[in-house]
Amino acid sequence: AQSVTQLGSHVSVSEGALVLLRCNYSSSVPPYLFWYVQYPNQGLQLLLKYTSAATLVKGINGFEAEFKKSETSFHLTKPSAHMRDAAEYFCAVSVGEGFQKLVFGTGTRLLVSP
Amino acid sequence: DVKVTQSSRYLVKRTGEKVFLECVQDMDHENMFWYRQDPGLGLRLIYFSYDVKMKEKGDIPEGYSVSREKKERFSLILESASTNQTSMYLCASRPSRAQETQYFGPGTRLLVL
Repeated sequence: AQSVTQLGSHVSVSEGALVLLRCNYSSSVPPYLFWYVQYPNQGLQLLLKYTSAATLVKGINGFEAEFKKSETSFHLTKPSAHMRDAAEYFCAVSVGEGFQKLVFGTGTRLLVSP
Repeated sequence: DVKVTQSSRYLVKRTGEKVFLECVQDMDHENMFWYRQDPGLGLRLIYFSYDVKMKEKGDIPEGYSVSREKKERFSLILESASTNQTSMYLCASRPSRAQETQYFGPGTRLLVL
């Protein structure tokens, strides 16, 4: 079954440091891949998505992710963390007939210290 | 902007009660989804609807049913609530193409006593 693995349930960085959140997927064919962010007491909001166009995808709030088929990875990065980036981040892969459903990873909580 | 609204932010119910969670979207999206979110488990799909009156089971449908009588509204029903259904419930909607973004509501936090 197709799945997503997010390494690290918590990641801590200092403000201004590089953010790297890891996501690996298992899929027999190139899927659609998504990163969503959830701020406290809110629903999920799309950060960026890969839909088989450019492998380097730029999203909102300065985040980007690179699709690497050889590594089955779609890691999320941001050069310089801000306090407002503190949230939970979910990677998701499209699955099923017509890729209509999403399977989400277990999430990574990003903590940003001053 | 796409808006997905959920009828309640917080609900407290008793074991055995029938519970209705309502979700409404205002963007004429064909697809709608119900997920539950639990710490350490991420989001898990309960049911998916790809059109009015059409539904498909997700990964954890047991104990739940759904109804979609109108395109904009997708209801999740807990026929007889149990304590293990205490969770955060998230609704989402999306146009029919799989590569499109899912738009999420703010969630309903359900506590079953």
